[in-house]
Amino acid sequence: NAGVMQNPRHLVRRRGQEARLRCSPMKGHSHVYWYRQLPEEGLKFMVYLQKENIIDESGMPKERFSAEFPKEGPSILRIQQVVRGDSAAYFCASSPGTGVYLRRRGYTFGSGTRLTVV
Amino acid sequence: GQNIDQPTEMTATEGAIVQINCTYQTSGFNGLFWYQQHAGEAPTFLSYNVLDGLEEKGRFSSFLSRSKGYSYLLLKELQMKDSASYLCAISGGSYIPTFGRGTSLIVHP
Repeated sequence: NAGVMQNPRHLVRRRGQEARLRCSPMKGHSHVYWYRQLPEEGLKFMVYLQKENIIDESGMPKERFSAEFPKEGPSILRIQQVVRGDSAAYFCASSPGTGVYLRRRGYTFGSGTRLTVV
Repeated sequence: GQNIDQPTEMTATEGAIVQINCTYQTSGFNGLFWYQQHAGEAPTFLSYNVLDGLEEKGRFSSFLSRSKGYSYLLLKELQMKDSASYLCAISGGSYIPTFGRGTSLIVHP
């Protein structure tokens, strides 16, 4: 059973370009969470999605950032017109919901995408 | 809102015991998580506490006091590979985990 798959692992973009980060949750998981991590800082929540629905996007910047989790395929975090301040590691986590699973295994994280804006 | 506080850095000796504290304020509570993160890698799940008391899992134990807004992670028989960042996270009313800044643990021989 593959874990949470994120790609690409590393992404370099020039200022003004678009960045697309993909996250395939674990099999059977329908809840996806995106986090951003800057060096020496904790994980900052961005957005929580379930299939075809954005549940909570309170951590997402209002401009340039969007996320989706279609019925088929991976969740996508899209950053338009990237700026140097967008350089960070972006992590995706998944879960099948709440309850017993979380008690035993928590949220499962992918290995992240390290975005560098030059 | 939520606020999580943990020490920035700790050092300990191989074979010793170390306790990493986490204090929090939250308006809703559905559990507290501890994660381990090695540099450049994904956070990995260590423990989940939702009731007061101690949960033991091998060399790692986690304690929770909801009335005090306090938790700790206890690592016994420290090994060099335990050098990592340890993240405390609160699952609030929305079940979205909020993470602290993490505690960087350095284990030396």
